[in-house]
Amino acid sequence: DGGITQSPKYLFRKEGQNVTLSCEQNLNHDAMYWYRQDPGQGLRLIYYSQIVNDFQKGDIAEGYSVSREKKESFPLTVTSAQKNPTAFYLCASRGLADQETQYFGPGTRLLVL
Amino acid sequence: AQSVTQPDIHITVSEGASLELRCNYSYGATPYLFWYVQSPGQGLQLLLKYFSGDTLVQGIKGFEAEFKRSQSSFNLRKPSVHWSDAAEYFCAVVENTGGFKTIFGAGTRLFVKA
Repeated sequence: DGGITQSPKYLFRKEGQNVTLSCEQNLNHDAMYWYRQDPGQGLRLIYYSQIVNDFQKGDIAEGYSVSREKKESFPLTVTSAQKNPTAFYLCASRGLADQETQYFGPGTRLLVL
Repeated sequence: AQSVTQPDIHITVSEGASLELRCNYSYGATPYLFWYVQSPGQGLQLLLKYFSGDTLVQGIKGFEAEFKRSQSSFNLRKPSVHWSDAAEYFCAVVENTGGFKTIFGAGTRLFVKA
């Protein structure tokens, strides 16, 4: 089945630690996105990538980094510079055939110890 | 700047009752409009979308939405709510530009009482 997978489902971060959230898609989509979701605030865009080896900052990129070495993969690193990382992180992708529509993964909940 | 407003933070309806979730947007041209649903701890699932044509669109799970240009609204409706519809609902607007940036509303949490 085609879809978007995110791992892990839950992730714990210690103070000063970098952690990486995985996002993989087998939909052959060109564009991929990372959103942060906090209660009552909807979704906020962290980073997005429209093609391999290229990505752009979203509205809240500070304290985060990404890479896009493969079309299928768009990992997000939450660095120690992100002082309030506790949130639900959602990955999404968009393809050329249905380019207005984003499809979402199941999400990763990040908690700080 | 484009924006999406969902005026109701949460709504409670009885099972079997009708439902309407409100969404208003601010955008100069005709936007692409979406409704997504999110169950607790899950990702967003697309319910329906509107690009052009018939202003009443049908979606999955018995939902429909109506685009009203004069009111800049795209309200979501369901004639009879089921307990399994309890979730958070997000309205979204896509800018009709090359980047297809998606702007989400803050969401409406639906509670269903027996």
